Amino acid sequence: EAGVVQSPRYKIIEKKQPVAFWCNPISGHNTLYWYLQNLGQGPELLIRYENEEAVDDSQLPKDRFSAERLKGVDSTLKIQPAELGDSAVYLCASSLEAAEAGHEQYFGPGTRLTVT
Amino acid sequence: GENVGLHLPTLSVQEGDNSIINCAYSNSASDYFIWYKQESGKGPQFIIDIRSNMDKRQGQRVTVLLNKTVKHLSLQIAATQPGDSAVYFCAENRAGFQKLVFGTGTRLLVSP
Repeated sequence: EAGVVQSPRYKIIEKKQPVAFWCNPISGHNTLYWYLQNLGQGPELLIRYENEEAVDDSQLPKDRFSAERLKGVDSTLKIQPAELGDSAVYLCASSLEAAEAGHEQYFGPGTRLTVT
Repeated sequence: GENVGLHLPTLSVQEGDNSIINCAYSNSASDYFIWYKQESGKGPQFIIDIRSNMDKRQGQRVTVLLNKTVKHLSLQIAATQPGDSAVYFCAENRAGFQKLVFGTGTRLLVSP
């Protein structure tokens, strides 16, 4: 079974430029998550989707971050414009159902973003 | 400063020893806990989970203990191997919020 796929794996951009990350969850997984992970810290949730609906985006900085999950499968996370402090690893995860139901979240390898 | 978070707590053990990694969680209403292993350049990988109505759960070479009185979670790894070297995170699910909150990781270094 293929795992969660993310691309690109690495991205270096100058500040004020836009950037987008793509995620393909495990087939059949209804729930998709985007996390931000700073160096040496645990992942922090940015947004959670149930199918195509964003059900928790309370931690997403909406002035510069946006996300979409068209057709309830693939998802993209965008930053425009990027700031130096956005340098981090952006992780995508998916699960059959939400965490409260006890369903395991499967993580992708992440996209390491460096903003210069 | 920029180095905050780089200085992860580190546990160094010899191959074959048993390892115990500890985690203090913050919310007494959390009802589900997970341990994740994260190797360099990879996403977190599920190891074992436990619900709040249990105090112990065993897997293959791993045991998770939950002490709700002091809000403490531990991961025990038996016969630690070099392949166990990674950063380990505990995560708690806050009841009603359907959101995992990750703790500060612990780096496990296993020497042959």
